Amino acid sequence: DIQMTQSPSSLSASVGDRVTITCRASQSISTYLHWYQHKPGKAPKLLIYGASSLQSGVPSRFSGSGSGTDFTLTISSLQPEDFAIYYCQQSYRTPRTFGQGTKVEIK
Amino acid sequence: QVQLVQSGAEVTKPGSSVKVSCKASGGNINTYGFSWVRQAPGQGLEWMGGITPILGTATYAQRFQGRVTITADESTSTAYMELNSLTSDDTAVYYCARDEGTDRGFDYWGQGTLVTVSS
Repeated sequence: DIQMTQSPSSLSASVGDRVTITCRASQSISTYLHWYQHKPGKAPKLLIYGASSLQSGVPSRFSGSGSGTDFTLTISSLQPEDFAIYYCQQSYRTPRTFGQGTKVEIK
Repeated sequence: QVQLVQSGAEVTKPGSSVKVSCKASGGNINTYGFSWVRQAPGQGLEWMGGITPILGTATYAQRFQGRVTITADESTSTAYMELNSLTSDDTAVYYCARDEGTDRGFDYWGQGTLVTVSS
């Protein structure tokens, strides 16, 4: 199975901060990498697909980059509604593994 | 607009089985697939398997192989996930999600179904 490793596991940030989360795959996955936001009691929400394409309806402060094994999710200016857990997921091979998640908390 | 509506919460005993449904409205399920993802308490997201109805084939994560069956009924636009030989470790929220292919991610999700396994 392809292992997905996110860092950090958690972070504290203030409203308006720029936040970067990284995701590393155990082998090359081209750009078959997607990012999700998950809030308690709600279904996960797709933010970025194909490493860098913004899902329809998602604010432009979210962006993604990378290819091969190293990927980044950036929130350019953190908003109160962005406090959540973020997951990366690869779809290069089954099983479609997720990273362990990054919890973004209020500082 | 695609909507996925899952069946309600289940409480079941160790050793039993559970079958969760996911009914799609909007869009043609013949053109996309479904995946099932679960989240155990305090844990992250875990992909269990998926199906492409038009192909009729399902794939499963190795750790669930032999214990999970994913099916789809095109006539009712409904996908199903059945998990057997339940233990307390299977207590989790189970989600279905639309899967439009390897380059698109899971863009629509069901609301989640809590399955509690307890004696």
